[in-house]
Amino acid sequence: GQNIDQPTEMTATEGAIVQINCTYQTSGFNGLFWYQQHAGEAPTFLSYNVLDGLEEKGRFSSFLSRSKGYSYLLLKELQMKDSASYLCAVREWSGNTPLVFGKGTRLSVIA
Amino acid sequence: SQTIHQWPATLVQPVGSPLSLECTVEGTSNPNLYWYRQAAGRGLQLLFYSVGIGQISSEVPQNLSASRPQDRQFILSSKKLLLSDSGFYLCAWSKTGFNYGYTFGSGTRLTVV
Repeated sequence: GQNIDQPTEMTATEGAIVQINCTYQTSGFNGLFWYQQHAGEAPTFLSYNVLDGLEEKGRFSSFLSRSKGYSYLLLKELQMKDSASYLCAVREWSGNTPLVFGKGTRLSVIA
Repeated sequence: SQTIHQWPATLVQPVGSPLSLECTVEGTSNPNLYWYRQAAGRGLQLLFYSVGIGQISSEVPQNLSASRPQDRQFILSSKKLLLSDSGFYLCAWSKTGFNYGYTFGSGTRLTVV
């Protein structure tokens, strides 16, 4: 079976750092993706990890530990526009197989 | 560059009416195509995916169906909508055979009344 867990909601202060965790239990593993979804809009791609370690992209970083079935998304220097849902998704098998999504973490950035 | 178009943006339909949502991709060939549904406060649920013309895999048995009449066209249909079909429908594409993520269409907000 497939199980991807994320916290439902988080709140953080503008300018701060926030870490959104994702744990997964899947039959196979061939990559983990993070997406950002603003209310009423489609998700947009943020990051991709397939090997252990940290991937950095500007204010956003994503970490993966395959042995622990664990990833996190780190957002630095939070801005109000970062208020959105963040979706963790896993691809179990080859590049043709669909992504399995977690339910998402709704992040609220407050002043 | 590649683009994905999905329409309509919003739709209000009565129970028992038919449905047709269309999605097209430009700027690439032989894409993998997907239909997801997102109910209020819930995650993305995979409905159908296709790795080629006429090849449709269904993930959830229900009153919806999908077709891929052309390489870059993916259609989601229903003969008779249920109240439970309300939600945010998202079409997405990815490159074939590579471990790329998705690019999503802008979505269709469907309300069944």
